[in-house]
Amino acid sequence: SAVISQKPSRDICQRGTSLTIQCQVDSQVTMMFWYRQQPGQSLTLIATANQGSEATYESGFVIDKFPISRPNLTFSTLTVSNMSPEDSSIYLCSVSFGAYNEQFFGPGTRLTVL
Amino acid sequence: SQQGEEDPQALSIQEGENATMNCSYKTSINNLQWYRQNSGRGLVHLILIRSNEREKHSGRLRVTLDTSKKSSSLLITASRAADTASYFCATDAGLAGRRALTFGSGTRLQVQP
Repeated sequence: SAVISQKPSRDICQRGTSLTIQCQVDSQVTMMFWYRQQPGQSLTLIATANQGSEATYESGFVIDKFPISRPNLTFSTLTVSNMSPEDSSIYLCSVSFGAYNEQFFGPGTRLTVL
Repeated sequence: SQQGEEDPQALSIQEGENATMNCSYKTSINNLQWYRQNSGRGLVHLILIRSNEREKHSGRLRVTLDTSKKSSSLLITASRAADTASYFCATDAGLAGRRALTFGSGTRLQVQP
């Protein structure tokens, strides 16, 4: 496994602003993912963060709204742009280990948009 | 889209009782993973069971997998109040170039002291 940290742990933001969430892992990993968990719901994959290339987005998520950076094998950021109250969610990063794709999650960032 | 469905959606039991949660999925898988989430915090990885395994144990946790029925169950024995959480199953379809997991809808477990 790994130690995965996220910053910030929570934030309250105004409509129309942007927030960048950081995910740091204590070891090098190939695969990193960003998920969203809307209130009372399960997790939905936003994108796969690829090191050295553009992220791979899931249907319904676009780069202009959720730009992702992956400058190295231990770090990634997710930006939630031009926020609206519908973006209020928990955002989680995860990393994959080993041949069996065992995935571990960061503590999450709880975002509230007013 | 969510491929997994879990039942029950909510479960309330007394401390010391066993809790069983079920997960069904639709496509073939490489493995299935169970997670615990305490009141909107991060997910804690519990167990990974591979498609060629039928049962795994970890402490008070027992996971079974029936690939013919596309279903899995998580049993927590001798539950404690600290087991109160939401539990999610997640499947890895093993598709080339896609290692992200697909999550079930989750079961909210309440253990009464």
